[in-house]
Amino acid sequence: QKEVEQNSGPLSVPEGAIASLNCTYSDRGSQSFFWYRQYSGKSPELIMFIYSNGDKEDGRFTAQLNKASQYVSLLIRDSQPSDSATYLCAVRRGSYIPTFGRGTSLIVHP
Amino acid sequence: DVKVTQSSRYLVKRTGEKVFLECVQDMDHENMFWYRQDPGLGLRLIYFSYDVKMKEKGDIPEGYSVSREKKERFSLILESASTNQTSMYLCASNWYEQYFGPGTRLTVT
Repeated sequence: QKEVEQNSGPLSVPEGAIASLNCTYSDRGSQSFFWYRQYSGKSPELIMFIYSNGDKEDGRFTAQLNKASQYVSLLIRDSQPSDSATYLCAVRRGSYIPTFGRGTSLIVHP
Repeated sequence: DVKVTQSSRYLVKRTGEKVFLECVQDMDHENMFWYRQDPGLGLRLIYFSYDVKMKEKGDIPEGYSVSREKKERFSLILESASTNQTSMYLCASNWYEQYFGPGTRLTVT
């Protein structure tokens, strides 16, 4: 059974801080990793994906992947109240359908 | 931009009714998916389709069926709705980076 674990939170950070969201996975053969943002009452929206070990930056978002330790994280710099949402991690092995974590709730307070 | 649309945002049905949820994508994706999302349980895959008229069961197919007669349209059917099928239903398209529709919040009373 492939598992993707996320702390449900909520993770509360002040405006302007760095929010760090973590995801661990059990399938060592996982090859691609995705972060989705889901606002309350809305559907998930893809914000980043990463395939290689290391960091991938896109604006205020940085995805970090460590395959040896089987974790992927999402850093949000200069957090804004509009970043308050649930963040879903998804992990895929080869051409298999992705496995989703249950998400971490992030609250950015002014 | 990829556009995935779903026929209804909110739906209220009675126990035992047959329910149709429609999903349409405009990006010519071969693969389409139906999930349900419940608090504390996350996203669970019901069915997916990798081509017209082709379908595969996901993790929780019981009580559901699907239809894909055209590439852009993927329908989820609840043969006889039950209260435990009250949920948010999400359609997605594309195999690698999935794009989700806005969701249908279904309440079965």
